[in-house]
Order: sequence, then structure tokens, then C-alpha cells
Amino acid sequence: DIQMTQSPSSLSASVGDRVTITCRASQGISNSLAWYQQKPGKAPKLLLYAASRLESGVPSRFSGSGSGTDYTLTISSLQPEDFATYYCQQYYSTPQTFGQGTKLEIK
Amino acid sequence: QVQLVQSGAEVKKPGASVKVSCKASGYTFTSYAMHWVRQAPGQRLEWMGWINAGNGNTKYSQKFQGRVTITRDTSASTAYMELSSLRSEDTAVYYCVRGGYCSGGSCFAEYFQHWGQGTLVTVSS
Repeated sequence: DIQMTQSPSSLSASVGDRVTITCRASQGISNSLAWYQQKPGKAPKLLLYAASRLESGVPSRFSGSGSGTDYTLTISSLQPEDFATYYCQQYYSTPQTFGQGTKLEIK
Repeated sequence: QVQLVQSGAEVKKPGASVKVSCKASGYTFTSYAMHWVRQAPGQRLEWMGWINAGNGNTKYSQKFQGRVTITRDTSASTAYMELSSLRSEDTAVYYCVRGGYCSGGSCFAEYFQHWGQGTLVTVSS
């Protein structure tokens, strides 16, 4: 199985900050990477797929980059509604696997 | 619009089985895969398995092999996930998720765009 490791596991930031979350795969996944946002008691919401493609309706302050084994999610200017937990997922091979999550909290 | 509506919360005793349903609407049910993903309290999302809703072929995570069964009823556009021999560690929210497009007996690997609302399964004596 491909292991997905996110860093950091938690992050405190303020409204307006730029934040970056990193996801590393245990082997190359050819940009078959998605990012999700999850709020308490809710299902995850797709933000980006194919490493850098923005899902329809997702604000442009979210962006993704990377290749091979290393990927990043960047939020350019944090808004109050962005405080949540973020997960990366590889869909390059079965079983599809997720990172452990990054909890983004208000400073 | 695509909608996945899951059955309600369940409380089960250790050793019992649970069957969660997921009714799909807004798309051609038999043209896509349906996956099941679970999330234990405070834990990461965990993929359990999937079914080709067209031909019924399934694939399961090795972790759940032998305990999980995913089926579908095409006439009702509904997928089911049954987990047996429940233990306390199976306490989690279970999600159905629409997967990739299926054609010619194969389904494309894809990110998870559409999720059910989740079903809480509590295993407790």
C-alpha cells in the first residue's frame, strides 16, 4: 500500500495568513492526488484533484502543486470558513489511501 | 445533481453485523463505481472497498477482507456495505462515495467528488 504522510499534523494561523500543507507519498503517484476539506460532523469536500486542478466552486485562494512523491496545498489568504481539517488522498493505486490530516486552527 | 443518501445511525453489540445502505440519484447508477470509506473517531479516512455498480464486481481492502461485503440493487440504485464480526474498533462513521466511470467491465480510478452524509455505527456491549 502507498503510505501518505502529511505535515504538519496541526497548524495555528490567523485570518489573512498564507498557509502551506505538505503531503508525501511513499512512492510516486503521477499527480493522482486529491485534497479534501472536512469540518466537524460533515463529509469531506473535494478541493483539488490531479494535484493542481481546482474543483468547480472552490475559491481560487486554494491551490495545489507538486509531482512525483511530494505535493502541497496552499491557501493564499485564510478566511474564517477555512478553519477545518485537510486530507490528501492518492488514487494512483488500490487501496486508495489518505494522509493523517492537518487540523488548521485559529491563532 | 448527484446525491447519495445513507441509512441512519446504528448501535450494535460486539460480534454482530451491520448493513448500511446508500441510495444514489442524479446520475446513471450502473455507470459508476461506489466506494465505502470509514472514519473512526479522531482518525484518518480509511478506504474499505468498492463495487462496479454495473457488473457487481468488487474489490476489498485486505484489512477488511472476509468481514466486509459490498452489494448493489440496480433496480433501486442503492449500494450496501455489510460488516460482520463487529468489534469496538469498528465504531466509526461510514461513508459511501461515488467513484470513477465504469466502461467495458473496468472502472477508472478517480478522486472522490460525491459523498454520502455518513452513517455512524457504534459498537458497544
